[in-house]
Amino acid sequence: DADVTQTPRNRITKTGKRIMLECSQTKGHDRMYWYRQDPGLGLQLIYYSFDVKDINKGEISDGYSVSRQAQAKFSLSLESAIPNQTALYFCATSEGEETQYFGPGTRLLVL
Amino acid sequence: QKEVEQNSGPLSVPEGAIASLNCTYSDRVSQSFFWYRQYSGKSPELIMSIYSNGDKEDGRFTAQLNKASQYVSLLIRDSQPSDSATYLCAVNLASNYKLTFGKGTLLTVNP
Repeated sequence: DADVTQTPRNRITKTGKRIMLECSQTKGHDRMYWYRQDPGLGLQLIYYSFDVKDINKGEISDGYSVSRQAQAKFSLSLESAIPNQTALYFCATSEGEETQYFGPGTRLLVL
Repeated sequence: QKEVEQNSGPLSVPEGAIASLNCTYSDRVSQSFFWYRQYSGKSPELIMSIYSNGDKEDGRFTAQLNKASQYVSLLIRDSQPSDSATYLCAVNLASNYKLTFGKGTLLTVNP
């Protein structure tokens, strides 16, 4: 089984809808991250969490919120989706400042 | 200066040649450096990590770090078509204690 899983893998939604992307990990890592990736723009950090009670905004947090339900679960919500949030979303985990391990990604299309 | 910079490419090399990928970073006191490979539509996967000045070899891959000049490079010897991907440089910047990614270099290995 994969160490970092993301659900759903693909999602199509309409403008204004609220959606949630979920991430789970079995690696036992303390840190979890959400990134989005757009063609030509690289990986942009949305939110990150160093532990269950420590959540921080990344460089592009506007329009997003997160919840760290447990050490192993980190969810990303789009409160009211808009077309420019169409992107590939990745969850990642790390133990401290060490290597980050990525989930398979969620491809989101907002119509 | 951008925090982590890479040439976007594309870099095209013939099969069997050496591919050289470069990355510069802004924070002189950064300590941890990573190279990830990302196939189109897939998640980044770690190739190498390097922490000390000099070379680190793993199979056909060699990472080179020069902290005084603030650059890290990745050499791929005997390049194969399966090496065709985007290569992401990532640096744990001391200025913000987060892993910061470059935008990636697209490598194409031609048979």
